[in-house]
Amino acid sequence: EPEVTQTPSHQVTQMGQEVILRCVPISNHLYFYWYRQILGQKVEFLVSFYNNEISEKSEIFDDQFSVERPDGSNFTLKIRSTKLEDSAMYFCASTPARSGYEQYFGPGTRLTVT
Amino acid sequence: AQRVTQPEKLLSVFKGAPVELKCNYSYSGSPELFWYVQYSRQRLQLLLRHISRESIKGFTADLNKGETSFHLKKPFAQEEDSAMYYCAPYYGQNFVFGPGTRLSVLP
Repeated sequence: EPEVTQTPSHQVTQMGQEVILRCVPISNHLYFYWYRQILGQKVEFLVSFYNNEISEKSEIFDDQFSVERPDGSNFTLKIRSTKLEDSAMYFCASTPARSGYEQYFGPGTRLTVT
Repeated sequence: AQRVTQPEKLLSVFKGAPVELKCNYSYSGSPELFWYVQYSRQRLQLLLRHISRESIKGFTADLNKGETSFHLKKPFAQEEDSAMYYCAPYYGQNFVFGPGTRLSVLP
């Protein structure tokens, strides 16, 4: 069964550095999402992406964040200048349609900002 | 703003006992309602969705629009049900996850 994949599984970076988290959604899916989960807290929506543009974003997704689908398979989340509070698990998800279908989640990337 | 509450952070039951994981959501239109589960060291995965009205792994969830609740139930808990459970209404374009309830099924 096809799965969403994410790399790396764990990323350690210093405060102020840029990081790029990578996701490969399921190949025939059209809608892509990023969520994050700070340790011990709930899963929070960051951004949704469709047809090469952002569909919706949350308050968390400020100017330090950006997303891109640089080719036909990858979907990336960039944090320009990481802060300590960016430390979290970041989950990518994809779905074939906007509603009516489950979102398939990747295994997550643990980002640790020191 | 849409809100989801799951009042229990941790719920421990003995194997074979009934279990109910509570979820209340704020009313904003008619969200689609889902339960997601995360087993230890595994990814988030769909457990069930209201619209399909199916029972997965013995779990069912009843939507009560009057109380805006979508509680998850299972009559006889199994040890393999131990996991984090997230109530997740789908509002338009994204899920709003509840804080989660950790279910621990004791032998």
